[in-house]
Amino acid sequence: AQTVTQSQPEMSVQEAETVTLSCTYDTSESNYYLFWYKQPPSRQMILVIRQEAYKQQNATENRFSVNFQKAAKSFSLKISDSQLGDTAMYFCASLSNSGGSNYKLTFGKGTLLTVNP
Amino acid sequence: KAGVTQTPRYLIKTRGQQVTLSCSPISGHRSVSWYQQTPGQGLQFLFEYFSETQRNKGNFPGRFSGRQFSNSRSEMNVSTLELGDSALYLCASSFQGMETQYFGPGTRLLVL
Repeated sequence: AQTVTQSQPEMSVQEAETVTLSCTYDTSESNYYLFWYKQPPSRQMILVIRQEAYKQQNATENRFSVNFQKAAKSFSLKISDSQLGDTAMYFCASLSNSGGSNYKLTFGKGTLLTVNP
Repeated sequence: KAGVTQTPRYLIKTRGQQVTLSCSPISGHRSVSWYQQTPGQGLQFLFEYFSETQRNKGNFPGRFSGRQFSNSRSEMNVSTLELGDSALYLCASSFQGMETQYFGPGTRLLVL
């Protein structure tokens, strides 16, 4: 079974500063993907960034980047130049194929990030 | 491309009733997954459909069921509603399953 743990229920950051959200995961699968999704007050789940486990290079999307440590099963999200619109709940998630075609996302409990002006 | 759409966006039902939620995936996507989000349990996987077949099911009672049509649109049904079924129900689509899942806006269900 997959598990995803986010140890920071809440975080805050000043506008324009950098913040890092932590995530650890556990899976026995060799082929898996990791994601960060954000869920603003509208409750729409929005993809932030994706990392394939077989890739050593850390994924980057504009101001968002990850630090993927496969051996440590760690997958943190760094947000640079934080903006007010980054205020949201952030979910770390893993996707793998266990036992054939059993695709499902397993989510952490989320980290509520508040960006202060 | 249009995103994932879900209807209705809001629902109020009473205990014992049944409800049907609908999800239209992104064009070309054949995998549709459903998730339940509650403050207490967080995001939990309900089931996943691909080519009209349920491939995977989460740990939910049989009152929760679903189906997928030939155009990949999916519906989920909850029978004999309980107060604990109040939640945000999210639908997500992907091309075949083992790729990025894109989410719809969700259906908020309130059971009174």
